[in-house]
Amino acid sequence: GAVVSQHPSWVICKSGTSVKIECRSLDFQATTMFWYRQFPKQSLMLMATSNEGSKATYEQGVEKDKFLINHASLTLSTLTVTSAHPEDSSFYICSARPTHGYTFGSGTRLTVV
Amino acid sequence: EDQVTQSPEALRLQEGESSSLNCSYTVSGLRGLFWYRQDPGKGPEFLFTLYSAGEEKEKERLKATLTKKESFLHITAPKPEDSATYLCAVQDQAGTALIFGKGTTLSVSS
Repeated sequence: GAVVSQHPSWVICKSGTSVKIECRSLDFQATTMFWYRQFPKQSLMLMATSNEGSKATYEQGVEKDKFLINHASLTLSTLTVTSAHPEDSSFYICSARPTHGYTFGSGTRLTVV
Repeated sequence: EDQVTQSPEALRLQEGESSSLNCSYTVSGLRGLFWYRQDPGKGPEFLFTLYSAGEEKEKERLKATLTKKESFLHITAPKPEDSATYLCAVQDQAGTALIFGKGTTLSVSS
């Protein structure tokens, strides 16, 4: 079946530094990928839609200069959290659409100290 | 605005005690309703997609049904390994990203 690989699975960084999260579609091409954020006991909230070869579309309230998205190939999208602060600590999950349905990565737990 | 509401927020069952989880939705032109299972610290794992009212799908101890306003996930004779958070999501007419409910956390004790 369609697999989305997400790395790293967890990361701890210092406040003010940047962190990059990778999302790869392993056995299919994904022109569109989605980035979600999930706080404890909360729903997955869509942050942005990543489009291969063009700019990402951000949801209302999501700072595009803070959450940089790059979708340079049909199998790779990256999310960079710039100048991270403790309030950015969360569970970040990517998703892609193979032929049918939506497949999710295993998530990245970001802790900013 | 598209909205998905799941209830209950948490559910505790004894092994073998059947029950149902509810997902109520408001969406402009439903293209699909999705059920996922999420274990702690993991990404959602696909269970079912339902497309039209009256549709039902089954997988082992799980059965999903759909009406015009809500979906149910029925769990028959659950086992401890069924313990997880169950997420409901809808895809609207625009057909882009999924909109998720907050989930129901199921705990099954032996």
